[in-house]
Amino acid sequence: AQSVTQLDSQVPVFEEAPVELRCNYSSSVSVYLFWYVQYPNQGLQLLLKYLSGSTLVESINGFEAEFNKSQTSFHLRKPSVHISDTAEYFCAVIANAGGTSYGKLTFGQGTILTVHP
Amino acid sequence: GAVVSQHPSWVICKSGTSVKIECRSLDFQATTMFWYRQFPKQSLMLMATSNEGSKATYEQGVEKDKFLINHASLTLSTLTVTSAHPEDSSFYICSARGQGPSYNEQFFGPGTRLTVL
Repeated sequence: AQSVTQLDSQVPVFEEAPVELRCNYSSSVSVYLFWYVQYPNQGLQLLLKYLSGSTLVESINGFEAEFNKSQTSFHLRKPSVHISDTAEYFCAVIANAGGTSYGKLTFGQGTILTVHP
Repeated sequence: GAVVSQHPSWVICKSGTSVKIECRSLDFQATTMFWYRQFPKQSLMLMATSNEGSKATYEQGVEKDKFLINHASLTLSTLTVTSAHPEDSSFYICSARGQGPSYNEQFFGPGTRLTVL
């Protein structure tokens, strides 16, 4: 089975400041990793993903995340945030091997990012 | 591409009634769909995996007779909350597994807010 821990439940920052949302996972098999964003009363939107290849992945709106296998982490970063980035962010993993967990997303608890003017 | 819709977006019902929520993949065929529920300020919890043409697989602790899932076609899965009670009030989100290169991704619907009075 997999588990995901998002170390910060809430992160307040000022506009144009850098931000890091932390995510650690545990799994007995290799995994794919995802970050999703959820705006109030909406579903989840994929922000970025790591499946293979370069461990640094980027989104179109300036977020990036780096897969660190030795530290089992997939922290999300943005060098300069905007008011519109205010949302809840979920880190998630899928086991990429067989077994009962195959194909099932396991989510972290979520981190509420609030960007203040 | 990979758009998933849900209907209704919100529903209010009386205790004891049944409510059906539809999840549709609009521009792709989804052999597998997933149903999640999300309580306020909490993460998404997988309820069941819905496979086209076969019975759904429920997660531990989810009552299969209360949450009826039907995946009758490659683009539609339904979740029926039978004899709903106030404790069933929640945000229900479905997702559909992608195809081809997106097989390891899930595409999420916008969610359905259920309030049971």
